[in-house]
Amino acid sequence: NAGVTQTPKFQVLKTGQSMTLQCAQDMNHNSMYWYRQDPGMGLRLIYYSASEGTTDKGEVPNGYNVSRLNKREFSLRLESAAPSQTSVYFCASSEMGQAFPVHFGNGTRLTVT
Amino acid sequence: DAKTTQPPSMDCAEGRAANLPCNHSTISGNEYVYWYRQIHSQGPQYIIHGLKNNETNEMASLIITEDRKSSTLILPHATLRDTAVYYCIVREAYSGAGSYQLTFGKGTKLSVIP
Repeated sequence: NAGVTQTPKFQVLKTGQSMTLQCAQDMNHNSMYWYRQDPGMGLRLIYYSASEGTTDKGEVPNGYNVSRLNKREFSLRLESAAPSQTSVYFCASSEMGQAFPVHFGNGTRLTVT
Repeated sequence: DAKTTQPPSMDCAEGRAANLPCNHSTISGNEYVYWYRQIHSQGPQYIIHGLKNNETNEMASLIITEDRKSSTLILPHATLRDTAVYYCIVREAYSGAGSYQLTFGKGTKLSVIP
């Protein structure tokens, strides 16, 4: 039982490049979330998916897109990376009825140069 | 959502109880108190949440004052592995689409001292 798995763990991009951050959970959870964390700041919600087939914007969605591929997987895409998107990205999940993240992955550390 | 105030840092001796305070004087009747922690370089970890009754689980106890304007997270026997940043968050229970937002502040850095 791996919980929430994020790939890759580290990534360096040049400005303008695109990439997709992958997240998968094996707990049969309905809801999944993407957060970013910048130095000296708390976590900020980018997007979430309350259930399979739905996605909603969080606090800081600009520059990102998401796909809830199936119940297990929720990906975050940067179409044209910018230095301001340098951050640590966390994926999380929770059960039906819990509208708050319970299980987090260990993060993807992204640097955009 | 109500704002919270936490001390920026605290120390606790290993083996002693760690009592982390949180002030949320503007909390409304349907807002819950949530606690998370984040150990350095790891993902956050959900600890506990409550509305008005005290709550306990295998990790911690949450004590909410009768007027609900403040709460205390108690780690009964702190270990070195409990050194982390602890976040107290206040938010309404689920009330439809858009209510999944949970605003993390700067938290309290707890250092457990040997």
